[in-house]
Amino acid sequence: GQQLNQSPQSMFIQEGEDVSMNCTSSSIFNTWLWYKQDPGEGPVLLIALYKAGELTSNGRLTAQFGITRKDSFLNISASIPSDVGIYFCAGQRGSNYQLIWGAGTKLIIKP
Amino acid sequence: SQTIHQWPATLVQPVGSPLSLECTVEGTSNPNLYWYRQAAGRGLQLLFYSVGIGQISSEVPQNLSASRPQDRQFILSSKKLLLSDSGFYLCACRTGLAGGLGGELFFGEGSRLTVL
Repeated sequence: GQQLNQSPQSMFIQEGEDVSMNCTSSSIFNTWLWYKQDPGEGPVLLIALYKAGELTSNGRLTAQFGITRKDSFLNISASIPSDVGIYFCAGQRGSNYQLIWGAGTKLIIKP
Repeated sequence: SQTIHQWPATLVQPVGSPLSLECTVEGTSNPNLYWYRQAAGRGLQLLFYSVGIGQISSEVPQNLSASRPQDRQFILSSKKLLLSDSGFYLCACRTGLAGGLGGELFFGEGSRLTVL
């Protein structure tokens, strides 16, 4: 099905480093959502964005709704071991409320 | 806030056997409900969604079916499983206001199906 372009596909980082990932599309969205999935569990909502240009934080996480409404990024500052997992972006457009999903960014912390 | 229960959590079934995965939601009424499948290491594929009792929309042609016998119950079924049905199945719930706000999905813990 239709997907957002989420990058990078995976990231190997050192503990304490900052992390940045993004999602882009050729279409305009009216909502952007960022989820994290731990192995064997369902995705958990991290941040929801509803307005172009909106910048929202949740602890060490910060996400922005791109001004063009076609992209969003998620930053994680000072990564810790529990940040490991797969991060998904999802966008909603129009009035049918169905979400379009990115393929995920797998975050791995080097020992 | 809503709570989403899925069971069974893990299931190993032979090819050709039937399937029933159940999802129930607490803490909300008249939710939109969704079934997603996730292959290993992959993203989420929407299978079915329901906006109300008895109302099912299918996103992809497949070997599976869904039913919503009650407002907060969503069931995923198959009469004869295929090897390709293996995966991690996630039930999700959407509540909130029309117009975009509150459009977040909340997920259950998932059911891992292995077809042998």
